[in-house]
Amino acid sequence: EVQLVESGGGLVQPGGSLRLSCAASGFIFSSYEMNWVRQAPGKGLEWLSYISFSGRTRYYADSVTGRFTISRDNAKNSMYLQMSSLRAEDTAIYYCARDQEGSYDYWGQGTQVTVSS
Amino acid sequence: DIQMTQSPSTLSASVGDRVTITCRASQNISTWLAWYQQKPGKAPELLIYRASSLKSGVPSRFSGSGSGTEFTLTISSLQPDDFATYYCQQYNSYSRTFGQGTKVEIK
Repeated sequence: EVQLVESGGGLVQPGGSLRLSCAASGFIFSSYEMNWVRQAPGKGLEWLSYISFSGRTRYYADSVTGRFTISRDNAKNSMYLQMSSLRAEDTAIYYCARDQEGSYDYWGQGTQVTVSS
Repeated sequence: DIQMTQSPSTLSASVGDRVTITCRASQNISTWLAWYQQKPGKAPELLIYRASSLKSGVPSRFSGSGSGTEFTLTISSLQPDDFATYYCQQYNSYSRTFGQGTKVEIK
């Protein structure tokens, strides 16, 4: 069974940093591209970042470029999102999603990030 | 970036109704389009990929069509479990944008 489990969310002050993790199981992790998507309270879905199979290719949404860094460790079946210079508008549920030729066929349950003083 | 516009934003319907949601892309995306369903407090779930391919396990009352810039998601006979929010997503470019969502409510 494919499972994606996010962790690392929490309450952080504006300007602070946080590292999210996505633990994958039930499939060959290194054979899939992966993504991070977020959803602000009461809002729609926002794609944030993509990482290729090996991790060599990475893309970011304009809203997080320069502040967020995506990475993966195929030996640990895990993906990460390092977030810095956090702002109130980064408050959201953060999801990791498996990329199946562009569409996202499996999603984690999400982890809540709240940026507030 | 490619902009995705869904209509309507909210749709009120009854069980058994045929429901159609439209998604328009700001430029040609061929058939690089997916549809997702999201229920309150839950992660989105993939319904349709490549504009018209049904994900395994998704009920056949869901169907997708379109290419280029205009796409539709149709639910042939709305069931109680289908009341949710639906999102389209383009993956023609590396910046994969979603539509703003369509909430399907009970009439």
